[in-house]
Amino acid sequence: VQLVESGGGVVQPGRSLRLSCAASRFTFSDYPMSWVRQAPGKGLEWVSAITRSGSSTYYADSVKGRFTISRDNSRNTLYLQMTSLRAEDTAVYYCAKDKGFRFDCWGQGTQVTVSS
Amino acid sequence: SYVLTQPPSVSVAPGQTARMTCGGNNIGSKSVHWYQQKPGQAPVLVVYDDSDRPSGIPVRFSGSNSGNTATLTISRVEAGDEADYYCQVWDRSSDHPYVFGAGTKVTVL
Repeated sequence: VQLVESGGGVVQPGRSLRLSCAASRFTFSDYPMSWVRQAPGKGLEWVSAITRSGSSTYYADSVKGRFTISRDNSRNTLYLQMTSLRAEDTAVYYCAKDKGFRFDCWGQGTQVTVSS
Repeated sequence: SYVLTQPPSVSVAPGQTARMTCGGNNIGSKSVHWYQQKPGQAPVLVVYDDSDRPSGIPVRFSGSNSGNTATLTISRVEAGDEADYYCQVWDRSSDHPYVFGAGTKVTVL
């Protein structure tokens, strides 16, 4: 099982960024997926989740209305579109495979820095 | 929303037993999962559904859950066990159902 995130970088406040997570070595469409982030020196914060088909999505209050999770099962890829970015969104963003409401596989993470 | 409470730190000598708690309202009615995170690395699931271990996780890692407290126990602690440990539950009644505790830093003396 492998998850590889990409798309992170340095972005100014108020701008947008899209993260991707490429999945391999498992049947991607069989599992819900999530994004989890970790601000510098802080703990894990669940950000967003999406069901297997993509028909339902869930968001933490801190990102609701600004972030959009989606998936393309034909490309085995998970996305996180982030808009109106704030300094407090600075974090390492992990994608995680959900097996029974637990995260049994994580990517290596991608750094997002929001700074002017 | 549901809140999980973990002690910030636990210290233990090599070869001894480390125990760390995860408190929550009637947490015994939920399934608790535990993750280990070493510096600069992604988290790794070490215990799921209160007390089960994924393949490859040593039997030294065990878990329990009852009442308002879940516990992760590491027996015969090794230097390589030094890490942050996070508990997590799924709260079906919430719109943001995945909840993490703030984490416990385990220091091996």
